[in-house]
Amino acid sequence: SAVISQKPSRDICQRGTSLTIQCQVDSQVTMMFWYRQQPGQSLTLIATANQGSEATYESGFVIDKFPISRPNLTFSTLTVSNMSPEDSSIYLCSAREGAYNSPLHFGNGTRLTVT
Amino acid sequence: KQEVTQIPAALSVPEGENLVLNCSFTDSAIYNLQWFRQDPGKGLTSLLLIQSSQREQTSGRLNASLDKSSGRSTLYIAASQPGDSATYLCAVREGAQKLVFGQGTRLTINP
Repeated sequence: SAVISQKPSRDICQRGTSLTIQCQVDSQVTMMFWYRQQPGQSLTLIATANQGSEATYESGFVIDKFPISRPNLTFSTLTVSNMSPEDSSIYLCSAREGAYNSPLHFGNGTRLTVT
Repeated sequence: KQEVTQIPAALSVPEGENLVLNCSFTDSAIYNLQWFRQDPGKGLTSLLLIQSSQREQTSGRLNASLDKSSGRSTLYIAASQPGDSATYLCAVREGAQKLVFGQGTRLTINP
């Protein structure tokens, strides 16, 4: 299965700043996604990162706050913009390698704390 | 709106016991169901994937079942070990891409 690497693994940021999280997959994948896991909560899908086009955002998430890039089939970035303490979460990149019904794999996540 | 519930929220058992984790979902129109393991401060590790047409999947000491009509899945762990301690998450796939996750069961295996 695909190996997904995220960096940074953790960061502490000041409110009002932005952080870009990188996600690298060791093989070409069809689909890449970004999830958020708030403290004590389960995972929520932020958006689907589409290769060569704009990401598809879920309800409650907007491009201005969470711009996403996916320049090729192995790499994506998520930026958390104009951060506030409410953005403190674990952000996880995930990918699906092959067929439509194949399993989803995750990176180790980025633990973000906003002060 | 799909809702996924996992019971119990936490479970502590002695080493060697067999145990069952439960997952229920409200809308049976799913493509598949996936069980994950999450260690503290880490990402998710995929354990088992059950397609909507399947009844169960097995991997080593793990067995997952799916009853789509009743909206239930179970994860059976045989002969539990301290290394099995983690949070276990189930997620159902609905629509084109979206996974809807449960809140997880935090499992502790006591030596």
